[in-house]
Parts: sequence; structure tokens; C-alpha cells
Amino acid sequence: GQQLNQSPQSMFIQEGEDVSMNCTSSSIFNTWLWYKQDPGEGPVLLIALYKAGELTSNGRLTAQFGITRKDSFLNISASIPSDVGIYFCAGLTGGSYIPTFGRGTSLIVHP
Amino acid sequence: DAGVIQSPRHEVTEMGQEVTLRCKPISGHNSLFWYRQTMMRGLELLIYFNNNVPIDDSGMPEDRFSAKMPNASFSTLKIQPSEPRDSAVYFCASSQYNTGELFFGEGSRLTVL
Repeated sequence: GQQLNQSPQSMFIQEGEDVSMNCTSSSIFNTWLWYKQDPGEGPVLLIALYKAGELTSNGRLTAQFGITRKDSFLNISASIPSDVGIYFCAGLTGGSYIPTFGRGTSLIVHP
Repeated sequence: DAGVIQSPRHEVTEMGQEVTLRCKPISGHNSLFWYRQTMMRGLELLIYFNNNVPIDDSGMPEDRFSAKMPNASFSTLKIQPSEPRDSAVYFCASSQYNTGELFFGEGSRLTVL
């Protein structure tokens, strides 16, 4: 089956720094989704991308759908302590509504 | 609007006991998913339903696990008998058919002693 490689696995940064993480696959996806899971909660959808090359922002978060359709990127600008959590990417292939999830990037922000 | 509602939030039980986890999806959503999350394996899809019908249960670990969706507003995941290796956080998620955008509940943290 499809696999998503998400990196880095974890990040420890200082408040105010920018963050970049990515998700790659050997398969082509038609939709990319980025979720955030706060400690003790369920994942929450942050951004959905539907077209190759698409760049979408949600506040300080910006995500891009890679041109090859095999990757996606998430950037967080000027990080704050409440950005702490696990960020998951998920991809959907054509005709499927079952997302394939990455293993997540754990983000810790030091005040 | 109410999100996906799961109960219980926490369950501690002894090996061999039956465990039932419950889920109420978002009203109007046609698809329901059960996931298990562990440090070792991440998020694993156990089973999903479309319009209350189980479509793919290939992710269910073994016969000790069963899931039902008797109507559009309720689903259960049952483990009988439970084992320590079943300890995990179990998530229920729902989506509108064909969107692939899942809305997760807050999860049920299961500890089997």
C-alpha cells in the first residue's frame, strides 16, 4: 500500500522561530491534508490542498501541494508555545476517500 | 455544532474483560472510521463504514475486535477479551462521503492491565 514519509520526526525550537516540515511518497496523491493533534486530543484538520502547486495559508500556517504530486510541505511562521503538538500529513489518491496518514512530526516550542 | 463524540474518554480494565467504546458521528456525515493510535504504529485504520455498512475491516487486528454501526448516529468498537497489547488511544472519525476530510473525536484512552 501507499506510504507517507514524514520528516522530521520531531523538532525542538525556540518561540519565534519558523518551522518547516514535509511529507513525501512514492505514490501520486490528488489531495493532501495537514492535521494537528494537541496533547490528549484528536487530530484537527488545518489545511486541505487539492491541486498540484497549490499554496494555501491558515493564519501563520502555509502548506503547499508539491508539483510532482508526491509531496507536500507545511510551514509555521513565528512559532508560539500553543503550536506544540503532533502534525500529521495525509494523502488521498484518485477515487479514494480513505486518507493515508504519515507518522507525524512532533513539535516542541520552548518559550 | 457538536463534533464527533466518543465515550468513555478513559478506560482502565483488566486482561480478559470486555471493552466497549462508543462513538456518535457528526450529523449528516456518511462515513465513519475507527483508528487506533500507539507510539509504535502511529495511526492505524481499523475499520470504516459507509452509510452504516462496514466496507473494509482488514485493519481489525483479530477476531477479538468487532465493530457495529446500527444507525447513522451511533457506532461501537468492542474488544472481547481484552489483552494488555490492546492498550492504545482509539479514535472515531467521520466525514461526508467522498471528501476524505476526517473529523476526529477526542479519543478513548484504553489501558488493559
